[in-house]
Amino acid sequence: EDKVVQSPLSLVVHEGDTVTLNCSYEVTNFRSLLWYKQEKKAPTFLFMLTSSGIEKKSGRLSSILDKKELSSILNITATQTGDSAIYLCAVAGDNNRKLIWGLGTSLAVNP
Amino acid sequence: DGGITQSPKYLFRKEGQNVTLSCEQNLNHDAMYWYRQDPGQGLRLIYYSQIVNDFQKGDIAEGYSVSREKKESFPLTVTSAQKNPTAFYLCASSMAGVPKETQYFGPGTRLLVL
Repeated sequence: EDKVVQSPLSLVVHEGDTVTLNCSYEVTNFRSLLWYKQEKKAPTFLFMLTSSGIEKKSGRLSSILDKKELSSILNITATQTGDSAIYLCAVAGDNNRKLIWGLGTSLAVNP
Repeated sequence: DGGITQSPKYLFRKEGQNVTLSCEQNLNHDAMYWYRQDPGQGLRLIYYSQIVNDFQKGDIAEGYSVSREKKESFPLTVTSAQKNPTAFYLCASSMAGVPKETQYFGPGTRLLVL
């Protein structure tokens, strides 16, 4: 059965810290891995990683895909209170275009 | 502006009542999805539709129904058969075709049972 596992489930840091969130997957015929940020409402898209694009960066956020280890990390440097959110990882495989979702990592950044 | 709208923002359901959640998109996306989110449980897929007049059950379809009569609209009905409907409901859409798996979400509807 396809599955996506995120760790840790929750994390509390201080402003300015660097954090690393993990996502591992077992999905048939992997196509892509997506990261989303969810604050109080809808998840917003951050990155999509594929075999042809294994590293993405936007400002203080960056993500790397390790196809050998079947995992991805999301790094956030110099964290700010506005980074507090749930970070969701999802993987697209060969399954009729459904995304397989992890449970998310809840990040709290304290001032 | 292009986007996905959901209404209402909050919805209250009485015992034995069917309620319908609205989802509309003007992104010209082919595929649309309904998810349910409970605390600590991530996103669970209820139904999805890849083209008009066609839809498939997701992982937790029991007690729910959908229709896809127009490309822009994908309403979800929570029937009285759904015994635990209190949750946050998210609608999403995406373009068809690989590698366009990126899903974009509406603001959500929070359903509460009276």
